Amino acid sequence: DTAVSQTPKYLVTQMGNDKSIKCEQNLGHDTMYWYKQDSKKFLKIMFSYNNKELIINETVPNRFSPKSPDKAHLNLHINSLELGDSAVYFCATGTGESPLHFGNGTRLTVT
Amino acid sequence: GDSVTQMEGPVTLSEEAFLTINCTYTATGYPSLFWYVQYPGEGLQLLLKATKADDKGSNKGFEATYRKETTSFHLEKGSVQVSDSAVYFCALTGSSNTGKLIFGQGTTLQVKP
Repeated sequence: DTAVSQTPKYLVTQMGNDKSIKCEQNLGHDTMYWYKQDSKKFLKIMFSYNNKELIINETVPNRFSPKSPDKAHLNLHINSLELGDSAVYFCATGTGESPLHFGNGTRLTVT
Repeated sequence: GDSVTQMEGPVTLSEEAFLTINCTYTATGYPSLFWYVQYPGEGLQLLLKATKADDKGSNKGFEATYRKETTSFHLEKGSVQVSDSAVYFCALTGSSNTGKLIFGQGTTLQVKP
């Protein structure tokens, strides 16, 4: 069983569309994260949730909205997609101090 | 603010060569330090970590020592293999202690047979 699974793996869409990325974990970890990796491989945290409560919300445009329906899921919804949103988005889980397990990423391409 | 600086890549080595990837940091307080590895097309995997000064993290032949006096956490391996080719990220926990990790820019390692 995959510990942290993200869907879809690839997402190609046009500017202005709304899309969602889903993340599910079966590790029982309390904390889940979304990270963005740009074309230069630079990784930056976007959000973290602990027991469904938002803990970290970096300076991310409010077009991005995370939703955690339960401890095992953290989804990312993006409205009005822009070219600059093209990146690889990683979900991760951990026990509080740091993310320990990452998903394989969702490569988002906005055309 | 807190930050991590890694050596520029790519680093290209022959198999069985000695590897060092430099990492230095700036932080308030006493962060934990980490190395993650990202193989092509995959997510990051935690490689090793150290939580306090002079701790040595080790895994799969890699090791790194938390040096508070030089604010460094250099990654080393005595004999690299082709399968070690990947991107390596140094990271630290931010001072807010919320699980936020601050990453370096990543160093690409290419090992040739």
